[in-house]
Amino acid sequence: SAVISQKPSRDICQRGTSLTIQCQVDSQVTMMFWYRQQPGQSLTLIATANQGSEATYESGFVIDKFPISRPNLTFSTLTVSNMSPEDSSIYLCSAGGQGGEKLFFGSGTQLSVL
Amino acid sequence: AQTVTQSQPEMSVQEAETVTLSCTYDTSESDYYLFWYKQPPSRQMILVIRQEAYKQQNATENRFSVNFQKAAKSFSLKISDSQLGDAAMYFCVLLYGTASKLTFGTGTRLQVTL
Repeated sequence: SAVISQKPSRDICQRGTSLTIQCQVDSQVTMMFWYRQQPGQSLTLIATANQGSEATYESGFVIDKFPISRPNLTFSTLTVSNMSPEDSSIYLCSAGGQGGEKLFFGSGTQLSVL
Repeated sequence: AQTVTQSQPEMSVQEAETVTLSCTYDTSESDYYLFWYKQPPSRQMILVIRQEAYKQQNATENRFSVNFQKAAKSFSLKISDSQLGDAAMYFCVLLYGTASKLTFGTGTRLQVTL
C-alpha cells in the first residue's frame, strides 16, 4: 500500500495568479495521475505524470494551463496557471493502478479562485 | 470510448439495512478492472471493493459485495448492515489499458439514517 501526502489542502487565490500543488508518495510508483473534481461532480483525469518526460494530457487540458512535473518516482507537482473562477475545484493526485492494482489518492486540494 | 453510468444520484438507507447501488459500464477493452470507491466529506477517496473482469466470482469485502454481470456490463454494489460511517459519495470506476486510465461514474450519494 502507499500513502500520498498532498498539499496544500486548500487555498484561496486571486484571479490571474498560479498555484502549485505537491504530491508526495511514500514509496516508488510507476504511474501518477492528476484529477479535477468540480463541486458535486465526478473526477476527470487531467493528465498522467510521466517520470523524466512530459506529462500526457487528456483532451481539454493543455500544458500551458496545467504544467506538471515528475522529477522522480515519488513526487509530482501540478500548477494551475493564470487562474480564473472557473478553475475553482478540488484537485487530486493518485498513484498506482498498474496491472489493475488499487489506486491510491491524495486527500485533495480545494482551490477557490476569487 | 469507455463510459460508466450511475443512474442513482442519491440513495438513502436505514442503519442496519441493506442497500444496492447500481452501475453500468461500456468498454471495448477485453482486459479491465472495476472498483467502487467511496468519498466521505473529508474528500479522501477510499477503495471499497475491486473486481477483475476475467473473474466470474463476485468480489466480497466484509459487508460489501458486488454483483458483476459481465455480459450485461453491470457492476452493482451491495452494502449489508449499513452503518452511519457508510454515508459518502460512492463512485463506480473502470480501469483499463496499459496506461491504467480510470473512468469514473457520476457518483451516488448515500445517506444513512437512524
